Amino acid sequence: GAVVSQHPSWVICKSGTSVKIECRSLDFQATTMFWYRQFPKQSLMLMATSNEGSKATYEQGVEKDKFLINHASLTLSTLTVTSAHPEDSSFYICSARDVGLGGTHSEQYFGPGTRLTVT
Amino acid sequence: GESVGLHLPTLSVQEGDNSIINCAYSNSASDYFIWYKQESGKGPQFIIDIRSNMDKRQGQRVTVLLNKTVKHLSLQIAATQPGDSAVYFCAETSGATNKLIFGTGTLLAVQP
Repeated sequence: GAVVSQHPSWVICKSGTSVKIECRSLDFQATTMFWYRQFPKQSLMLMATSNEGSKATYEQGVEKDKFLINHASLTLSTLTVTSAHPEDSSFYICSARDVGLGGTHSEQYFGPGTRLTVT
Repeated sequence: GESVGLHLPTLSVQEGDNSIINCAYSNSASDYFIWYKQESGKGPQFIIDIRSNMDKRQGQRVTVLLNKTVKHLSLQIAATQPGDSAVYFCAETSGATNKLIFGTGTLLAVQP
């Protein structure tokens, strides 16, 4: 159980175009999903917290108009990279918290990541 | 804290030896800590966690130690195997934010 999927697993796009990445919780419901970005040989950096039915909360320095997040249901959050540029090339990873577990620290389950390359 | 640098610290061990991976966390208010394993091109995989009211927790072949006085966390892997080769991250969070803050990571290379 507690599987999180991402689609696509990798994508190549041209500079100036937009790319949408999906994050799905397959066997549980998630009111909260998180989006991370990871550059090569570096750690995961939290970009934003995605809340079902409300606006995402972005970390300092992350442009909300460039990285559009939509959390339309308890099992799906999407990240759209708008007007992508080569510097946006990175590994994007989502995670989801299981609403059923409750408690102060519900475990986050991570997706397999999406490799974005902007040419 | 934020990740800095363009290379990961590397720990090289022989197969069968014990490995100790260290992590310094940043926020004294953090009350929950997790170790993740990340293989190349994949998402992080949960290994073991510990709450701040504990100083040691054991799992299968893994032990996490927490020293709140010096804000230090360690992961011990017994009888390291080639399949343990990966990047290991510690992460901290607190009930106030529930956001995970990842450490810089350590590359564990297991030599056969």
